[in-house]
Amino acid sequence: DGGITQSPKYLFRKEGQNVTLSCEQNLNHDAMYWYRQDPGQGLRLIYYSQIVNDFQKGDIAEGYSVSREKKESFPLTVTSAQKNPTAFYLCASSGGQAGTGELFFGEGSRLTVL
Amino acid sequence: GIQVEQSPPDLILQEGANSTLRCNFSDSVNNLQWFHQNPWGQLINLFYIPSGTKQNGRLSATTVATERYSLLYISSSQTTDSGVYFCAVPNSGNTPLVFGKGTRLSVIA
Repeated sequence: DGGITQSPKYLFRKEGQNVTLSCEQNLNHDAMYWYRQDPGQGLRLIYYSQIVNDFQKGDIAEGYSVSREKKESFPLTVTSAQKNPTAFYLCASSGGQAGTGELFFGEGSRLTVL
Repeated sequence: GIQVEQSPPDLILQEGANSTLRCNFSDSVNNLQWFHQNPWGQLINLFYIPSGTKQNGRLSATTVATERYSLLYISSSQTTDSGVYFCAVPNSGNTPLVFGKGTRLSVIA
C-alpha cells in the first residue's frame, strides 16, 4: 500500500544523545516535511525539502538536522542542542511544490528524553 | 506570516448532534486542508478545499476564499468523531502549510 512510514513509533533517549527518526514514502511525492507537536498544541514546521539534496529550515529548525539523499527518504536527527526534544514528530509528504498539493502524514514518532 | 485561527477551541457534543467548526485566515490562499487527529495521534485527511464546497458522508466543508474563512460541518456526530480538527493553509505562495491550534471535539454517547 502507498503511504508514509515513520520509525520508530516510540523512542526513549537519555539527555545529550542524538536521535535519528526515519521517514520513508512510496507515494512518489517531491516534497517532504517534518512537523513537531507538543501536548495540546498545533503543528510547527521543523524542516522541509522540495527536491533531492535540497532542504529548507522551518520555524523551529534549531537543534535539528535533516538530509534528502533519496526522493523516498527524509530522516530527521534531533541533536543534543535541541533544548526540549520530548515531543511528537510527524513526517509528511505532498506532490508538486511545497504547499500546493494535498499533504499526507505518517503515523508519527513519540520521542521522550529522560 | 499568515495567521490561522480556529474556533471554538473545545466542543462537547451529545452523540447525534450537529456541529460547525470555523477556520479564519489572515491572507489569501490557494490551498486549504482540514485534518482530523484521532486519539492515537494519527492525522487523517478530511478535505483539500481551497474554495467551494465538498461533502464526504456526514462531513462537509465550505471555503469562502474571498472572505478568508472555511467551515467544517459534522452531522449526526458519533463517538468516533472525537479528536482534534485542524485546518492548515500555506504561509504564502508555494510554502508549507501552517496549522491552526485546532478544535478539540468530544462526542459523548
